[in-house]
Amino acid sequence: LAKTTQPISMDSYEGQEVNITCSHNNIATNDYITWYQQFPSQGPRFIIQGYKTKVTNEVASLFIPADRKSSTLSLPRVSLSDTAVYYCLVGDGPGGYSSASKIIFGSGTRLSIRP
Amino acid sequence: GAGVSQSPSNKVTEKGKDVELRCDPISGHTALYWYRQSLGQGLEFLIYFQGNSAPDKSGLPSDRFSAERTGGSVSTLTIQRTQQEDSAVYLCASSLARLASYEQYFGPGTRLTVT
Repeated sequence: LAKTTQPISMDSYEGQEVNITCSHNNIATNDYITWYQQFPSQGPRFIIQGYKTKVTNEVASLFIPADRKSSTLSLPRVSLSDTAVYYCLVGDGPGGYSSASKIIFGSGTRLSIRP
Repeated sequence: GAGVSQSPSNKVTEKGKDVELRCDPISGHTALYWYRQSLGQGLEFLIYFQGNSAPDKSGLPSDRFSAERTGGSVSTLTIQRTQQEDSAVYLCASSLARLASYEQYFGPGTRLTVT
């Protein structure tokens, strides 16, 4: 199973770029890397997903090195509303490869943004 | 369209009682997931459904936990003889299919308190 490791917490200031790195040394060939954001008393919300290299959307960028053993979520110009817990998720690939695989969320990174 | 809904939003029960938690996924989503989140902790995967079948039940904490899904839609998570350690937020999510490339849409959760 592809276990993930993230920093427990991070602090930053409004307007800064924040990079959160997730380690997943045992990632399998078919695994995708997905990041979710969770605000208090809400369910997680999808931010971005990638398989390799770089993915960018209107919210964030995801950088994945060639060995795929880690990934970095980059949040440009954060604001106070980006204060949340961020989860790195490594999920098993297309169905049929491993029926025993579980989708494993790590403990997440608690990001605090200050004015 | 409507998102994932869960009911009840809050449930307080006495130790030893049975509880049923309900999840209504997004229409057309064939995959459905249950997670548990204890206070200040990450998400713990419990079980997923592809259609009405649950290929992998190994995430359920004990045999007091069971889940079913009918008509490829609504799912019920049942906890028998509840214990205080069952207190947590139970989150349901759905996705178009059980593939890692499909994002999960989470409901608001059911907060279960066992007294």
